[in-house]
Amino acid sequence: QVHLQESGPGLVKPSGTLSLTCAVSGDSLSNSIWWNWVRQPPGKGLEWIGEIWHSGSTFYNPSLKSRVAFYMDKSKNQFYLELTSVSAADTAVYYCATNRGNGLDVWGHGTTVSVSS
Amino acid sequence: EIVMTQSPATLSVSPGERATLSCRASQTVHYNLAWYQQKPGQAPRFLIYAASIRATGIPSRFSGSGSGTDFTLTINSLQSEDSAIYYCQQYTDWPRTFGQGTKVEIK
Repeated sequence: QVHLQESGPGLVKPSGTLSLTCAVSGDSLSNSIWWNWVRQPPGKGLEWIGEIWHSGSTFYNPSLKSRVAFYMDKSKNQFYLELTSVSAADTAVYYCATNRGNGLDVWGHGTTVSVSS
Repeated sequence: EIVMTQSPATLSVSPGERATLSCRASQTVHYNLAWYQQKPGQAPRFLIYAASIRATGIPSRFSGSGSGTDFTLTINSLQSEDSAIYYCQQYTDWPRTFGQGTKVEIK
């Protein structure tokens, strides 16, 4: 059973960079899976941020594309999100999730990130 | 970008009754449509994929239907634990997009 765990700083200053880690257990980043990031601002709906393939190929939401980057470290079985030039609008719960071709089947519990000085 | 529109925004249903939720895509997504359930303070839960296939462990009272641009999630014999927000998502094209959600309340 795959398990995902997000981690990162709970507070980021405006104009700074948000960096999050998703640790994967029970599966391998080398498998044919899209590894996803999704976020949810307080009281709002789900926003797809993007996904990364085991080969390193990525797709990003165009609304964030200029500020977001995904990476993976297969030796640690972890993948990462970096979001630059953050503002209060980036305050949200950030989730990592897996997509095996039919939607987001496994989700982490989420990590809350606040952008504030 | 494919825009997903869900209706109604809120649905109030009595226990034991049926809840019918709608999801419409701005262009065809074929059968590439998933449904999720989210309860307060929890991560979304994968309910339905390929428009009508229940995910592992999902009770049979949850059913999905539709194809192309119009989809429905039906919850039969509504139970108190079904109170949640339900989201649809298309995965036929990038960017993957979610509907804005339908909140199901128990009367």
